[in-house]
Amino acid sequence: TQLLEQSPQFLSIQEGENLTVYCNSSSVFSSLQWYRQEPGEGPVLLVTVVTGGEVKKLKRLTFQFGDARKDSSLHITAAQPGDTGLYLCAGAQETSGSRLTFGEGTQLTVNP
Amino acid sequence: NAGVTQTPKFRILKIGQSMTLQCTQDMNHNYMYWYRQDPGMGLKLIYYSVGAGITDKGEVPNGYNVSRSTTEDFPLRLELAAPSQTSVYFCASSYSIAGARGYGYTFGSGTRLTVV
Repeated sequence: TQLLEQSPQFLSIQEGENLTVYCNSSSVFSSLQWYRQEPGEGPVLLVTVVTGGEVKKLKRLTFQFGDARKDSSLHITAAQPGDTGLYLCAGAQETSGSRLTFGEGTQLTVNP
Repeated sequence: NAGVTQTPKFRILKIGQSMTLQCTQDMNHNYMYWYRQDPGMGLKLIYYSVGAGITDKGEVPNGYNVSRSTTEDFPLRLELAAPSQTSVYFCASSYSIAGARGYGYTFGSGTRLTVV
């Protein structure tokens, strides 16, 4: 059983469209992070959220942490081909210290 | 500032052979981790370390071993390689202090290992 469920698993859209990726769990997390990974490279941290209800923006990307700290979403406005990649959510629980549990990822393809 | 450096980038092993995946970081991070990534399976934690001389098992430690003699280095040892160990291996590091939340990981660029 996957602790963090990401949806959708695959997403292929046209340049300029908006999209939302979801990360859900039945467990509470002390913090949640989003990473982007490109082929042949390691994941790169995009954002960390630690407070229930927190919203963070990074240019065209908006991240939200659920009020109960069990879920998160990533919204991209006006997607560009450069946004293509594997998006991973990862959560830390109070009992796990800094150890992260990763979701399976959402593979996003933005077509020109 | 190199961050996290992993070597080698690619390796093919025969069943039963052994090898060490190297990982070094220059950010003075106290925490280090080894993950494996299989298609559609996300990242699974193999071993982690909270500081020099301290290591602990993650979700999938069988068939692997680690050591942490310095803050900078965290090598992963594969003994008696098996086809099930074919994967991409990532080393990561983070800074962590008691009571604080949300320090992000810095990942290396990975080692792609094939066991045949």
